[in-house]
Amino acid sequence: GAVVSQHPSWVICKSGTSVKIECRSLDFQATTMFWYRQFPKQSLMLMATSNEGSKATYEQGVEKDKFLINHASLTLSTLTVTSAHPEDSSFYICSAQRGGPSGLDTQYFGPGTRLTVL
Amino acid sequence: EDQVTQSPEALRLQEGESSSLNCSYTVSGLRGLFWYRQDPGKGPEFLFTLYSAGEEKEKERLKATLTKKESFLHITAPKPEDSATYLCAVQAWRETSGSRLTFGEGTQLTVNP
Repeated sequence: GAVVSQHPSWVICKSGTSVKIECRSLDFQATTMFWYRQFPKQSLMLMATSNEGSKATYEQGVEKDKFLINHASLTLSTLTVTSAHPEDSSFYICSAQRGGPSGLDTQYFGPGTRLTVL
Repeated sequence: EDQVTQSPEALRLQEGESSSLNCSYTVSGLRGLFWYRQDPGKGPEFLFTLYSAGEEKEKERLKATLTKKESFLHITAPKPEDSATYLCAVQAWRETSGSRLTFGEGTQLTVNP
């Protein structure tokens, strides 16, 4: 299989606090992980690409100082939402990329983290 | 710019009523097309990868096909547990962005018993 876990599954925090979300690939190594955000009834929006041992690449419009990404090992990436505000409330999903046949990489997704900022 | 359009947005079927979901795409240098299933409040679950036109893959009641412009997800004799949002995504290599996925908006499938 290709199992990706996320922790926590849900979190409620006060405005102004920071929240860290962990993403782990449990049975394979992932040099590349991705972080997405999903609003109700909408598709996934890519926030950033995380490469092990190097700085993350952020999509246009995503504040790198607000959404800190650290890819510390081949099985772990973390997303820290700094000084969270109610507008940061959302469903955050990570994925880990695994190489496959013909050199094609498949992204396997975690179960997601529901963040609510009061 | 890569584009993926899924239709219909929503589909209601009776149990056992077969149908198809469509994914049209415009991409330069397609490396692969992916189908995922997403249940409410959960992350997408990988279903299929299709690499080239003419390719077909099957899994239980699902069958995915690919042409040069679109992909179909055929659902044969669906059951209520097939109810979910089905997402289509394309992957193309880009020098600036690597092998990122571009997702469609999804088709929300409801199968009534």
